[in-house]
Amino acid sequence: GAGVSQSPSNKVTEKGKDVELRCDPISGHTALYWYRQSLGQGLEFLIYFQGNSAPDKSGLPSDRFSAERTGGSVSTLTIQRTQQEDSAVYLCASIESMGATYYNEQFFGPGTRLTVL
Amino acid sequence: AQKITQTQPGMFVQEKEAVTLDCTYDTSDPSYGLFWYKQPSSGEMIFLIYQGSYDQQNATEGRYSLNFQKARKSANLVISASQLGDSAMYFCAMRVNFGNEKLTFGTGTRLTIIP
Repeated sequence: GAGVSQSPSNKVTEKGKDVELRCDPISGHTALYWYRQSLGQGLEFLIYFQGNSAPDKSGLPSDRFSAERTGGSVSTLTIQRTQQEDSAVYLCASIESMGATYYNEQFFGPGTRLTVL
Repeated sequence: AQKITQTQPGMFVQEKEAVTLDCTYDTSDPSYGLFWYKQPSSGEMIFLIYQGSYDQQNATEGRYSLNFQKARKSANLVISASQLGDSAMYFCAMRVNFGNEKLTFGTGTRLTIIP
């Protein structure tokens, strides 16, 4: 079946503009995660959704970052008034449900590479 | 809080040789899981292997094995008979079970296989 998809694959924007990044999880997956990968770094957790609720937003770096999920499916990560330090790859991942399998590995999308000029 | 440490920024290994990628972790939770992901230059994250904190045996998946030493809090990835296609970034990650299952990642090791 289809994996996690993200759009756009690349986004170049000017400092101060708002951007929206989209994630389509695997159909039926209830939990969705956003991570950020800065150049040469590991992945940094941003926010987690269970259904349409976000019980853990602890990784969002500032109030310029927000995210929502609708219909228990598609999620949008919005960055307002982008800054150069927001440049990174933003990855989305989903899992079927908590404890669904022993491994319960997260399935990752291909990411959106954001460049803020 | 959880922490993952990968101390090898880069490694070069001759094709067909075995390679060990180091990973140490820190957590106060007794129930957790450890993952290794591969990230080729194309950018996708590929799940390789998983080790649960209560597993009695080291995990193995084909050419991948995990050398789990719980007392030392290490979870090193061993790749046997390396291939050119193994050249990639490798990330160790941890999740605490019975929580929201978010992953905490290390900074990664860039592995380059030399023909």
